Amino acid sequence: KAGVTQTPRYLIKTRGQQVTLSCSPISGHRSVSWYQQTPGQGLQFLFEYFSETQRNKGNFPGRFSGRQFSNSRSEMNVSTLELGDSALYLCASSPRGRPGPYNEQFFGPGTRLTVL
Amino acid sequence: AQTVTQSQPEMSVQEAETVTLSCTYDTSESDYYLFWYKQPPSRQMILVIRQEAYKQQNATENRFSVNFQKAAKSFSLKISDSQLGDAAMYFCAYRTIYGSSNTGKLIFGQGTTLQVKP
Repeated sequence: KAGVTQTPRYLIKTRGQQVTLSCSPISGHRSVSWYQQTPGQGLQFLFEYFSETQRNKGNFPGRFSGRQFSNSRSEMNVSTLELGDSALYLCASSPRGRPGPYNEQFFGPGTRLTVL
Repeated sequence: AQTVTQSQPEMSVQEAETVTLSCTYDTSESDYYLFWYKQPPSRQMILVIRQEAYKQQNATENRFSVNFQKAAKSFSLKISDSQLGDAAMYFCAYRTIYGSSNTGKLIFGQGTTLQVKP
């Protein structure tokens, strides 16, 4: 079974631009979560989608948004980029939408976003 | 709110020896899940081991085992017979079991970089 894929792997943007990152979950997985990883703040939860609905959102400004499609693929969008948005953005998928000991998250390789 | 703390930014171990990575957490919940994730330099995060808080028995996965002390809110990872491939950043993470809206939210510690010396 193919793992979680994220595209693009690397991205360079300038301040003020917007960016869209894509995540394809493992086949059959219905939940997708997004995390931002920076050296200073570590790994922080952005949001989670299940069945095309945002179920949970982290403490990020409204410039960060996402969506999920009927095939469970997800995109996240960052508008009006700031230098501080430079980070590794990780996507994770899990099979179900409810807590459970084996409902673990499988992570993708990440998208490295650099804002100049 | 729950928090996870890893107080060791860096650790090193000699190949074939044993190392323990520390993690403490804070929560008011009685049941939850704890995880250790490994992020090698290639950046793909993988699950090393999981522990369910309602289970008193410490989880074990081959060379990896945990020491789960619920009252002390401590969750350390022991790596036995360390191998060069164990070199990575290790993250301790917490996940609630309550509420269908919190299924995907992992709360991570700051991470510990493990160096394995040949």
